Amino acid sequence: GAVVSQHPSWVICKSGTSVKIECRSLDFQATTMFWYRQFPKQSLMLMATSNEGSKATYEQGVEKDKFLINHASLTLSTLTVTSAHPEDSSFYICSADKRPYNEQFFGPGTRLTVL
Amino acid sequence: AQSVTQLGSHVSVSEGALVLLRCNYSSSVPPYLFWYVQYPNQGLQLLLKYTTGATLVKGINGFEAEFKKSETSFHLTKPSAHMSDAAEYFCAVSGRGMRFGAGTRLTVKP
Repeated sequence: GAVVSQHPSWVICKSGTSVKIECRSLDFQATTMFWYRQFPKQSLMLMATSNEGSKATYEQGVEKDKFLINHASLTLSTLTVTSAHPEDSSFYICSADKRPYNEQFFGPGTRLTVL
Repeated sequence: AQSVTQLGSHVSVSEGALVLLRCNYSSSVPPYLFWYVQYPNQGLQLLLKYTTGATLVKGINGFEAEFKKSETSFHLTKPSAHMSDAAEYFCAVSGRGMRFGAGTRLTVKP
């Protein structure tokens, strides 16, 4: 199998606080994980590529100081939304790259609501 | 750069009718192409994928797609729609991360 989990599945926080979202590959090791954001009724947009043991690569327009990514092990990547604001409210989805499959395996997503 | 374009943000069919969701891709290298389905407030479920080999790919729930290089297309079809097929469908191409199309909302009328 190739299962990816995310925690929490949903979170509500106050404006100005920080929120950490975890992405875990449960039954395989992933040197590369990806973080996506999906606004209501829109498609998924790649935010960043998370590489185990090195700095994440951010897509153009994504603030790396606001969306902190850490990939400390081969099974865990975390996304921290710092000083969250209501416009950060979104559905955040991670995926993990499993070799040799030419496929990414997606987590179930985390819905973030910032009040 | 790789990208996909989904034609039609909303498709409505009657139950039992043919489903056709269109996707065209742009890629400078042989693409890996995917179709995903997303139900409300849920994550993505892989329907099928094309990497290499046979150009007609069969997926889950009776869906299939055909890779046509000459047309740069990867349209998704299902011979007979079911009510449970109503969802959002995304075409994607694999590169550095996945690049998704804008999505097509499928509505199935009884």
